[in-house]
Amino acid sequence: KQEVTQIPAALSVPEGENLVLNCSFTDSAIYNLQWFRQDPGKGLTSLLLIQSSQREQTSGRLNASLDKSSGRSTLYIAASQPGDSATYLCAVSPGSARQLTFGSGTQLTVLP
Amino acid sequence: ETGVTQTPRHLVMGMTNKKSLKCEQHLGHNAMYWYKQSAKKPLELMFVYSLEERVENNSVPSRFSPECPNSSHLFLHLHTLQPEDSALYLCASSQDLGKTGEKLFFGSGTQLSVL
Repeated sequence: KQEVTQIPAALSVPEGENLVLNCSFTDSAIYNLQWFRQDPGKGLTSLLLIQSSQREQTSGRLNASLDKSSGRSTLYIAASQPGDSATYLCAVSPGSARQLTFGSGTQLTVLP
Repeated sequence: ETGVTQTPRHLVMGMTNKKSLKCEQHLGHNAMYWYKQSAKKPLELMFVYSLEERVENNSVPSRFSPECPNSSHLFLHLHTLQPEDSALYLCASSQDLGKTGEKLFFGSGTQLSVL
């Protein structure tokens, strides 16, 4: 059974700092990995999706990398802003969206 | 606005009440999902519908009863819930079911408290 772990569970950084969020998964037989953002009491917004054949994806200040063989992904946030404060979740799937396995998330607070 | 709307946003109910959660998607998608998110736990997939037909029920207790009258609407009927059912219930949709690399679009959720 696939298990997804995100460490740390919570992170607090000063504004402007570059930071890395970590995600690890136990079964490397995945088709894709997604990073989501969740604001308090809200739904999830997809940030980046990496296919298993890719090594990374970039969107603005966000860069996600995938090392399938070691079962790891990182989400790099450059020049963090208070508006980046949210919970970031990663999820992996061997195929379709219905097969997604989610991590518990990292709660990020960016202090002004 | 993500295109997936959930109502109500908050719900408090007693253990003997009957209530319903509603989800509507305006994206023209064919697949809809119910997820449960408990505090500090990963999202748990509850039900999946494709073209109004239920295709997955992840061992969810019968006190949760889903209904999908058409491809744009999804309901979750609740009755005789337990306090441990208190959670954020999220609805999601995707263009199709079973397509690899499909993205999910989530609603804002219903925060449910069972007293």
